[in-house]
Amino acid sequence: ILNVEQSPQSLHVQEGDSTNFTCSFPSSNFYALHWYRWETAKSPEALFVMTLNGDEKKKGRISATLNTKEGYSYLYIKGSQPEDSATYLCASPQGGATNKLIFGTGTLLAVQP
Amino acid sequence: KAGVTQTPRYLIKTRGQQVTLSCSPISGHRSVSWYQQTPGQGLQFLFEYFSETQRNKGNFPGRFSGRQFSNSRSEMNVSTLELGDSALYLCASSSGMEQYFGPGTRLTVT
Repeated sequence: ILNVEQSPQSLHVQEGDSTNFTCSFPSSNFYALHWYRWETAKSPEALFVMTLNGDEKKKGRISATLNTKEGYSYLYIKGSQPEDSATYLCASPQGGATNKLIFGTGTLLAVQP
Repeated sequence: KAGVTQTPRYLIKTRGQQVTLSCSPISGHRSVSWYQQTPGQGLQFLFEYFSETQRNKGNFPGRFSGRQFSNSRSEMNVSTLELGDSALYLCASSSGMEQYFGPGTRLTVT
């Protein structure tokens, strides 16, 4: 069974700080890695879908990198803002079943103004 | 384009009862997946429907079932509810690699 792990479990930073989280996944039979942002009382919002080793994606102040050989992905937030406060989830499809996502338990980010 | 919608948003049921949750995907999306979110377990995959057929299944007991209609709307049913079924149930629709999530149905079993 695919096991996706995230660290840290939670993070408290000050406005303006840059931060990063880690997602670990089995490197064998890799298919894709998804990052989501989930704000309280809202739907999970897709940030990135990454498939290629060495891939780097960016959306505004948020970027992500992927290392499929060693089985990890980093999510970076530059200059955190209070509106970045959310749970950040990563997920990977199990067994090549594109829509059968196995999620990590998430990193809860709190940005203090 | 309208997003994924789920009804009802909140539900309170008693142990032993059954419940049906509904999900309307984004127009044109043929895949609908269901997930359960509990504080202890995080988001767990229940099943996926594509073109009215169950395409993938997670590790949940047979009390959890689903179906999909010809317009891609999907329902999931939980029979003989247990206290441990209290959770947020999310559905997601997809037309490719990205999944778009609905707001969820919060089910409380008393």
